[in-house]
Amino acid sequence: GESVGLHLPTLSVQEGDNSIINCAYSNSASDYFIWYKQESGKGPQFIIDIRSNMDKRQGQRVTVLLNKTVKHLSLQIAATQPGDSAVYFCAESSGGSNYKLTFGKGTLLTVNP
Amino acid sequence: ETGVTQSPTHLIKTRGQQVTLRCSSQSGHNTVSWYQQALGQGPQFIFQYYREEENGRGNFPPRFSGLQFPNYSSELNVNALELDDSALYLCASSVGRNTGELFFGEGSRLTVL
Repeated sequence: GESVGLHLPTLSVQEGDNSIINCAYSNSASDYFIWYKQESGKGPQFIIDIRSNMDKRQGQRVTVLLNKTVKHLSLQIAATQPGDSAVYFCAESSGGSNYKLTFGKGTLLTVNP
Repeated sequence: ETGVTQSPTHLIKTRGQQVTLRCSSQSGHNTVSWYQQALGQGPQFIFQYYREEENGRGNFPPRFSGLQFPNYSSELNVNALELDDSALYLCASSVGRNTGELFFGEGSRLTVL
């Protein structure tokens, strides 16, 4: 079946550097994409979302890029901080059912001081 | 803190037993979604409750059932527990039923022996 996947399971960066977390999806009908952050022992926390009619969206220190041609999604975190250390999940939905999210396996981001 | 509380935080059951997990949604949120997160995996959508009715369901068998109460709190019931049901069960509340911006609790860790 179709699923959301990630290119790298782990990413290690230095504090202050920019981080880029990648995600590939296979469902051509996906029309809504979202990034969540999950710290150890906590539930996922919403970061940013993007609809398929957009290719870029910016938030506070984060940018999501969507390339529908190659079915690729990325999350850029500017000036990464130790508090950004967590597992990051991309998720998608289709058919306008934004609530019915299909999550990928996640990328562990480690920020070194 | 998201304001979503779940109980119990941890529990151990044996195969064949039944379990009830509880969730109190954030104040003002009328929708509750439940997700199952196996170790090292992303969350999987179980179902969503809106106005005390099931609004959508993922690929889970009927032995997974739920309730939503007039105060918007919710229960997840799992009958005839199997070893593969061992996971973190996450409850998320939201404003409205068709949003991907979910506010997750910290989950209930279920171990089935």
